[in-house]
Amino acid sequence: DQQVKQNSPSLSVQEGRISILNCDYTNSMFDYFLWYKKYPAEGPTFLISISSIKDKNEDGRFTVFLNKSAKHLSLHIVPSQPGDSAVYFCAASPNSGGSNYKLTFGKGTLLTVNP
Amino acid sequence: ETGVTQSPTHLIKTRGQQVTLRCSSQSGHNTVSWYQQALGQGPQFIFQYYREEENGRGNFPPRFSGLQFPNYSSELNVNALELDDSALYLCASSFPGGADLTEAFFGQGTRLTVV
Repeated sequence: DQQVKQNSPSLSVQEGRISILNCDYTNSMFDYFLWYKKYPAEGPTFLISISSIKDKNEDGRFTVFLNKSAKHLSLHIVPSQPGDSAVYFCAASPNSGGSNYKLTFGKGTLLTVNP
Repeated sequence: ETGVTQSPTHLIKTRGQQVTLRCSSQSGHNTVSWYQQALGQGPQFIFQYYREEENGRGNFPPRFSGLQFPNYSSELNVNALELDDSALYLCASSFPGGADLTEAFFGQGTRLTVV
């Protein structure tokens, strides 16, 4: 029973164009969402997050959009760069902190940005 | 640079053996979570330690156990290893209760192979 789903295993885009990575979730208790980037042989690196009280959060080239009614979020990368090539994981938590903080991850999307 | 370090980076064990993986959390972080990432999957939550006590557990059998020490470093122990335990084991540290939403910072992981 996958509570966080990333239905695209891979995505290929041209350098300079927009990358859009999608994520769907089923658990209504999820309140906080994060995106992590992972290079081979490294641990996941935090990229950007969003609370359920917002519908958009922006950090430089990265923007996350949240549609609570559709239980859907997306990560936009504009402009895409070859260094963005990595596996991107969507993760969700029922709370934003506190002493019980558990992340539920999707399976990841491999983004390849071609020069 | 996250400051979360894990040891060893790679490990090969025989089925039925026991293994201990170690994690040093980022300075100031009092919460450590362990995740298992099987090939082609997203990280799956094993358990979390907060102030030296287990504080939340995922769907893993009791042969997965852990410890957290006064300096907040942590160990993951797996007894009676099975072939399916082969995976990347990730440690993440966080500081719950801070003013900002608390993203977890991951180490580079320990690649465990059970033969």
